[in-house]
Amino acid sequence: SQTIHQWPATLVQPVGSPLSLECTVEGTSNPNLYWYRQAAGRGLQLLFYSVGIGQISSEVPQNLSASRPQDRQFILSSKKLLLSDSGFYLCAWSGQGGHTEAFFGQGTRLTVV
Amino acid sequence: AQSVTQPDIHITVSEGASLELRCNYSYGATPYLFWYVQSPGQGLQLLLKYFSGDTLVQGIKGFEAEFKRSQSSFNLRKPSVHWSDAAEYFCAVGAGNMLTFGGGTRLMVKP
Repeated sequence: SQTIHQWPATLVQPVGSPLSLECTVEGTSNPNLYWYRQAAGRGLQLLFYSVGIGQISSEVPQNLSASRPQDRQFILSSKKLLLSDSGFYLCAWSGQGGHTEAFFGQGTRLTVV
Repeated sequence: AQSVTQPDIHITVSEGASLELRCNYSYGATPYLFWYVQSPGQGLQLLLKYFSGDTLVQGIKGFEAEFKRSQSSFNLRKPSVHWSDAAEYFCAVGAGNMLTFGGGTRLMVKP
């Protein structure tokens, strides 16, 4: 069966520090991969999605970036965190085609101080 | 581009009462529709999905949803709410490789 792993679960980082969140999927190949952010009291905002290795689409301008160095690995990064980057970050995967549901990781709670 | 609206940010119901969470979507073609539930500090779990066929779909935990094309709606229902249903609920529409989510509805259950 397929599983998705996301870490760390919680993270407290100072303003201006770098960020790296990692997500890996097991049990499937060539998944679509997604990074969402959920700010307090708000819905899910799609940040990035990827349909293949090295293929990243960005949905919103920001100081975050994403990379997909391997088929089942998706990394969210920042060179310098802002206070506004605080939130709950969710990684997800889906099958190709868009008509399949997305499966979510357990999320990372990021607090920038 | 597709969009999803969940008009109710918060809903409070008594345990044992019925529940309906509203979802309206905007999409030019036949939508793929989903309802997810999120417990505090957790990821999202799929409750049910609609791709085609019967417009009334059954999901896990006793939930069901009805697709109404004429109203561009996909409302979630449960006949009798349990305290454990307290959570945040998200409606989503799928198109291509994109899943677009509504803003969510937070459900509180009174004893």
